Amino acid sequence: ETGVTQTPRHLVMGMTNKKSLKCEQHLGHNAMYWYKQSAKKPLELMFVYNFKEQTENNSVPSRFSPECPNSSHLFLHLHTLQPEDSALYLCASSLEAGLDQPQHFGDGTRLSIL
Amino acid sequence: DAKTTQPNSMESNEEEPVHLPCNHSTISGTDYIHWYRQLPSQGPEYVIHGLTSNVNNRMASLAIAEDRKSSTLILHRATLRDAAVYYCILRAISNFGNEKLTFGTGTRLTIIP
Repeated sequence: ETGVTQTPRHLVMGMTNKKSLKCEQHLGHNAMYWYKQSAKKPLELMFVYNFKEQTENNSVPSRFSPECPNSSHLFLHLHTLQPEDSALYLCASSLEAGLDQPQHFGDGTRLSIL
Repeated sequence: DAKTTQPNSMESNEEEPVHLPCNHSTISGTDYIHWYRQLPSQGPEYVIHGLTSNVNNRMASLAIAEDRKSSTLILHRATLRDAAVYYCILRAISNFGNEKLTFGTGTRLTIIP
């Protein structure tokens, strides 16, 4: 039990589909993050939300659209993805968005684009 | 940009201490050093972090060189459950005010029973 739950665990979709990834935490944290982990590449920070406000967008293509309706939930909406977007997408949370804050990660959604 | 360098793999005997090195020779004065580990099919797990001083917690110790150009994660008594990929990470704020994370490629630690 990590405290951060991601659904679904696995997702296969075509390039023209629209799907959403969900992340939920009940740790009382106020910051949430999306990361991308590709094979043989370092982990990449995609988006940061602090108290429901987006504070980071690290040059992520617009086919990825995050949503944070409250401090406990984070979504990543996907549309018109490319094969190179196949990866493990990880959600994390921390008490607040600070450089000294430990992050709690979910186990990720393994995404495959056909 | 700051970079981290770690050995690709290390082995250690069970119940012995393990020292996992990380070089970050281009670290900036305000970069925090974090360590996470990742088991197969799981997300990363926080281990420890520090800025300038050595740190201890229930999982490990972090030794930071005086010039901060390197650090060492110390597992005092390795168990089979410590077998994982260990990542040394720098966290900083860029000139544009964005958070920068510099992940190393990680060290795969194997524990020999």
